[in-house]
Amino acid sequence: AQSVAQPEDQVNVAEGNPLTVKCTYSVSGNPYLFWYVQYPNRGLQFLLKYITGDNLVKGSYGFEAEFNKSQTSFHLKKPSALVSDSALYFCAVSGRGYNKLIFGAGTRLAVHP
Amino acid sequence: KAGVTQTPRYLIKTRGQQVTLSCSPISGHRSVSWYQQTPGQGLQFLFEYFSETQRNKGNFPGRFSGRQFSNSRSEMNVSTLELGDSALYLCASSLVDPTPDTQYFGPGTRLTVL
Repeated sequence: AQSVAQPEDQVNVAEGNPLTVKCTYSVSGNPYLFWYVQYPNRGLQFLLKYITGDNLVKGSYGFEAEFNKSQTSFHLKKPSALVSDSALYFCAVSGRGYNKLIFGAGTRLAVHP
Repeated sequence: KAGVTQTPRYLIKTRGQQVTLSCSPISGHRSVSWYQQTPGQGLQFLFEYFSETQRNKGNFPGRFSGRQFSNSRSEMNVSTLELGDSALYLCASSLVDPTPDTQYFGPGTRLTVL
């Protein structure tokens, strides 16, 4: 069975500092991994995905994620955090051949001025 | 291109009633998926429709059903509402190929069951 774990309920970071939001996954076969962000009273916004290819994936709003097969991780990163990055972040995995996302529990990112 | 739209945005119902939620996908997208978001269970997959056929289903009771029309618009229905059905219901659309494709989400319908 596929699963995703986000070990931190909340991450606090100062504005201008780098940020990392952690995600580990468990799948059989090749993983298809996604990051989404959710602002209050909004749906999910797509940030980036890993299907195949380079382990470092660049996405929207300056975010990137590094796929690490040996550690089964797909951590989200940004070199310099903004207060406006404060939101709820979800990591998700999908199986091959169908559009079904399995989400992690979410990590709340708080960026302080 | 217009994004995924969902109507209504907010609904208040009482236990035992039924409700229908609507989703219009991004133009050209033929796959529509539905998710339920609650504080306790998080984001859970309900079902996916493509070409008016349910292609995949999550672990929800039969009170939850859906359908897709020839123009790819989709509806989901919840019958005999329970308090635990209170949630944000999210619809997402994607191209069929390649799969799994990026899913783009609508703003959601907030359902409150009293």
